[in-house]
Amino acid sequence: DAGITQSPRHKVTETGTPVTLRCHQTENHRYMYWYRQDPGHGLRLIHYSYGVKDTDKGEVSDGYSVSRSKTEDFLLTLESATSSQTSVYFCAISPDRGGTEAFFGQGTRLTVV
Amino acid sequence: AQSVAQPEDQVNVAEGNPLTVKCTYSVSGNPYLFWYVQYPNRGLQFLLKYITGDNLVKGSYGFEAEFNKSQTSFHLKKPSALVSDSALYFCAVRDIRGGNTGKLIFGQGTTLQVKP
Repeated sequence: DAGITQSPRHKVTETGTPVTLRCHQTENHRYMYWYRQDPGHGLRLIHYSYGVKDTDKGEVSDGYSVSRSKTEDFLLTLESATSSQTSVYFCAISPDRGGTEAFFGQGTRLTVV
Repeated sequence: AQSVAQPEDQVNVAEGNPLTVKCTYSVSGNPYLFWYVQYPNRGLQFLLKYITGDNLVKGSYGFEAEFNKSQTSFHLKKPSALVSDSALYFCAVRDIRGGNTGKLIFGQGTTLQVKP
């Protein structure tokens, strides 16, 4: 497996609380992505990064923010968690934006109660 | 609009029989297409990709996929299914809207069940 670590792997949190998920890579890849997986929707892009401090919104970015202060770390923050953000979150990395495939982490299962 | 469709939520096949998991796409320009597999409680694993060249692409675990530009399809195939192939399969296309930054658009996924 590519060197990607997501933490935590599981989390239960209450509505209205902030939550931060971490993605750490050891591959020195430039591009990093956060996706969420929901039944019937496949994976949808939340935010992505194309370099340190360079980030942009994806398809479902409302309610989420990200930060990338170092090449190896990409943080996803739910500012005020809602039940609709209960999902499985995947981090992915890619060395380039061309034909190279992306590599995925093991996922974080987040439950908002 | 760019999109990927996997028309079957589930595909059932007997072990030893050939399998096909369907994928169609809609993109502007030449597509970069990918197949991933997800086993229970695991991340996505890369199977194969089409970037350019031969329309028949071979990948991991004996899987292959056929790119058909006229039908805008990229179906995943395997000549002889194994019970261990049972998993969730995703087709994806590179999203170049707003510039190419390696983003992927995924289909909704197809569950493959291979029965002994």
